[in-house]
Amino acid sequence: AQTVTQSQPEMSVQEAETVTLSCTYDTSESDYYLFWYKQPPSRQMILVIRQEAYKQQNATENRFSVNFQKAAKSFSLKISDSQLGDAAMYFCAYTLLQGGSEKLVFGKGTKLTVNP
Amino acid sequence: DAGITQSPRHKVTETGTPVTLRCHQTENHRYMYWYRQDPGHGLRLIHYSYGVKDTDKGEVSDGYSVSRSKTEDFLLTLESATSSQTSVYFCATSRTSYETQYFGPGTRLLVL
Repeated sequence: AQTVTQSQPEMSVQEAETVTLSCTYDTSESDYYLFWYKQPPSRQMILVIRQEAYKQQNATENRFSVNFQKAAKSFSLKISDSQLGDAAMYFCAYTLLQGGSEKLVFGKGTKLTVNP
Repeated sequence: DAGITQSPRHKVTETGTPVTLRCHQTENHRYMYWYRQDPGHGLRLIHYSYGVKDTDKGEVSDGYSVSRSKTEDFLLTLESATSSQTSVYFCATSRTSYETQYFGPGTRLLVL
């Protein structure tokens, strides 16, 4: 089965500190895409960062960066200089090729609390 | 972000009644998706569409049907709603199958 595992149901961080959210996935494919989505209390799903598996360089987006370890099938998200607005559910996802089309498979999420 | 709207945003219905949720996009994206979100499960794909009148099943398609008669609209129908279909439903769109999916605001459905 193709799965995404987020082993930390909840995490907390102090404002201005750095936090890392973990994600592992299971796929037999060599080419795929990985994503982190953020879901604040408004429930809107917002793309945080995207990584192509064929790229060795880790993606970065302002204060957000990933540590992509393809051999280990690991895709962690690092949030630097955490802000109160970063508090949200974070979902890791990857594309699954099935029936000639890619679909997103999501982990169960990590709830991030940012303490002032 | 893609202009994606969902209607209704909230709905309460009774077991056994039909329910249709609508997703509308203004970005001319080819791909559209319906997900449901439940505690402890993350988001799970119900159905998706890869073009007008082209649809396929996702992970949790039982009890749901979809239709797409034009690019901008993707309808999700619960033929006979059950309490297990109480959930938050998200629509998403993407330009191609491997590009970023953009999500609508969600529809909260309660089946009594």
